[in-house]
Amino acid sequence: DQQVKQNSPSLSVQEGRISILNCDYTNSMFDYFLWYKKYPAEGPTFLISISSIKDKNEDGRFTVFLNKSAKHLSLHIVPSQPGDSAVYFCAASARRYGGSQGNLIFGKGTKLSVKP
Amino acid sequence: DAGITQSPRYKITETGRQVTLMCHQTWSHSYMFWYRQDLGHGLRLIYYSAAADITDKGEVPDGYVVSRSKTENFPLTLESATRSQTSVYFCASSDQAGLIYEQYFGPGTRLTVT
Repeated sequence: DQQVKQNSPSLSVQEGRISILNCDYTNSMFDYFLWYKKYPAEGPTFLISISSIKDKNEDGRFTVFLNKSAKHLSLHIVPSQPGDSAVYFCAASARRYGGSQGNLIFGKGTKLSVKP
Repeated sequence: DAGITQSPRYKITETGRQVTLMCHQTWSHSYMFWYRQDLGHGLRLIYYSAAADITDKGEVPDGYVVSRSKTENFPLTLESATRSQTSVYFCASSDQAGLIYEQYFGPGTRLTVT
């Protein structure tokens, strides 16, 4: 039973346009969400996070939106660049509960291709 | 070098062999994690450790053993490798103190069991 779902395995976007990556979750205990970016043959790298007390967090070209009622978050990349081509993982945690509940649960990832 | 390193980066082993994957971090992070990445599954937690001598199972622990005698090292051992353990293995560490909650990943070890 997947608690974190990324339903789009891949996404192709033109350079300069907006990329929107989506993530849905089922566990209402999740209170902290992260996005990771992964290039081939490298480990995932942290990109941006959001706490459940917020509905938006912005860092440069990257913005994460959280809709708690819909149990949905999205990552917006504006403008998209060819160097953004990577696999993006959504992750969630029930941080306030501590222990094993604080561990990250990852989605399956979405492969973003940004074409010049 | 500062950061988190994994060795070996690539390993081929035979079914039934014991193999140990090494993970070393220089940040003195209290938490360390082992994940495996498989096509169609994303990243799944195998084991984690909250501190030296404290380890616990994750989502997919069967067939794996971990130890953590020193804060900076967290080796993962496959006691009798099986083909289903062919995967890319990532080690990660985290401070998880206060607002710091991100996990920092190593470069991965690609393991093939023949």
